Amino acid sequence: SYELTQPPSVSVSPGQTARITCSGDVLSKHYSYWYQQKPGQAPLLVMSKDSERPSGIPGRFSGFTSGTTVTLTISGVRADDEADYYCQSGDTSGTSKVLFGGGTKLTVL
Amino acid sequence: QVEVVESGGGLVKPGGSLRLSCAASGFTFTDNYMSWIRQAPGKGLEWISYISSSGSSTYYADSVKGRFTISRDNAKNSLYLQMNSLRAEDTAIYYCARHQLPAYFDCWGQGTLVTVSS
Repeated sequence: SYELTQPPSVSVSPGQTARITCSGDVLSKHYSYWYQQKPGQAPLLVMSKDSERPSGIPGRFSGFTSGTTVTLTISGVRADDEADYYCQSGDTSGTSKVLFGGGTKLTVL
Repeated sequence: QVEVVESGGGLVKPGGSLRLSCAASGFTFTDNYMSWIRQAPGKGLEWISYISSSGSSTYYADSVKGRFTISRDNAKNSLYLQMNSLRAEDTAIYYCARHQLPAYFDCWGQGTLVTVSS
């Protein structure tokens, strides 16, 4: 199926490691990307091409891919990491589409 | 710095039309694909359209195909979205984003709110 599935919520305590998963058949064919969105703000790209951190994104953020599942890992979670996180994949060649996962609310307890 | 700024949102009745604009600065606009992405209130992100750097190629999500038209004016560093036959379900914040190949978005505007209601 052409969709990306994320858990609706993940909760961790400060200093712990948060892992947010994203699953979909499209991930075996195309790169994954992750965006962080805080309330009232535009999304921010935090992971590119499965595991590449854009400039300015802390090393606490990492990405891992395995088949049709990708994982965004945030180590040493801080209060200001609390946000919605969206995975995205797809392509713009041919008839491929761009699609987003439903989003995961990360709560820092 | 790299920046895109949307404008043109507002309240429109069902069946009406609206044209969104996006002004780009801080990068070579003519080198980049551009996209529109929307977010309904309290919901997730939905990519709806992209346009190639020259404007020769466009693509639409099924949800807006035949109703929305993306275009660009490279001389003005501007992107547009003409929205016709608007429906209540088109109510959303509309984001303009720089679209890097193969398909990701590394610069987003703050968005412009479109409300479709009678």
